[in-house]
Amino acid sequence: DAKTTQPPSMDCAEGRAANLPCNHSTISGNEYVYWYRQIHSQGPQYIIHGLKNNETNEMASLIITEDRKSSTLILPHATLRDTAVYYCIVRVAKGGKLIFGQGTELSVKP
Amino acid sequence: KAGVTQTPRYLIKTRGQQVTLSCSPISGHRSVSWYQQTPGQGLQFLFEYFSETQRNKGNFPGRFSGRQFSNSRSEMNVSTLELGDSALYLCASSSLGRGGSQETQYFGPGTRLLVL
Repeated sequence: DAKTTQPPSMDCAEGRAANLPCNHSTISGNEYVYWYRQIHSQGPQYIIHGLKNNETNEMASLIITEDRKSSTLILPHATLRDTAVYYCIVRVAKGGKLIFGQGTELSVKP
Repeated sequence: KAGVTQTPRYLIKTRGQQVTLSCSPISGHRSVSWYQQTPGQGLQFLFEYFSETQRNKGNFPGRFSGRQFSNSRSEMNVSTLELGDSALYLCASSSLGRGGSQETQYFGPGTRLLVL
């Protein structure tokens, strides 16, 4: 089973920041938090990952709470093309598999 | 670098047939994982290959099998197809191959299989 809990859906106005929450209260100390998104049943697209420090790249920022039990993915200026299902995944320490939950369906509206 | 490529992109088969799907990883990537996505079950892990060896396996029946070649390209095979095997089959590759959490998996576009 997935080790994360996400809201099933969210709306965001175009141009505004989209803040997608994720709870992972049972995360272990050596497990990373990964975010992927999937647009129109294409292959999932990697966004960002982190262990305990906040991370930022050209796509998004990842804020992880100090106790590591939750995190937030931030898309700073959402566009219509950011409409997708966003998956928060806690990556097992050994072994390559990703365990996907149901994700959050983000709708960016004009 | 070219991304992960999967062939064919679409496939229609009938029950009882078998099918082979192909995945070419990103150049230099040695680990290949396969996933199945259905509306009912979501994205589920099938298996992972590294250096031509299956390193990890999900909870799927033996009809689902795979292999990896010396150039890291991978194939998966489904025998005796059932209607429930209709799905999007996704391949992902990663570089380091050590199985650690820091390996990022990059996905291909998928093969959409329809079983009639």
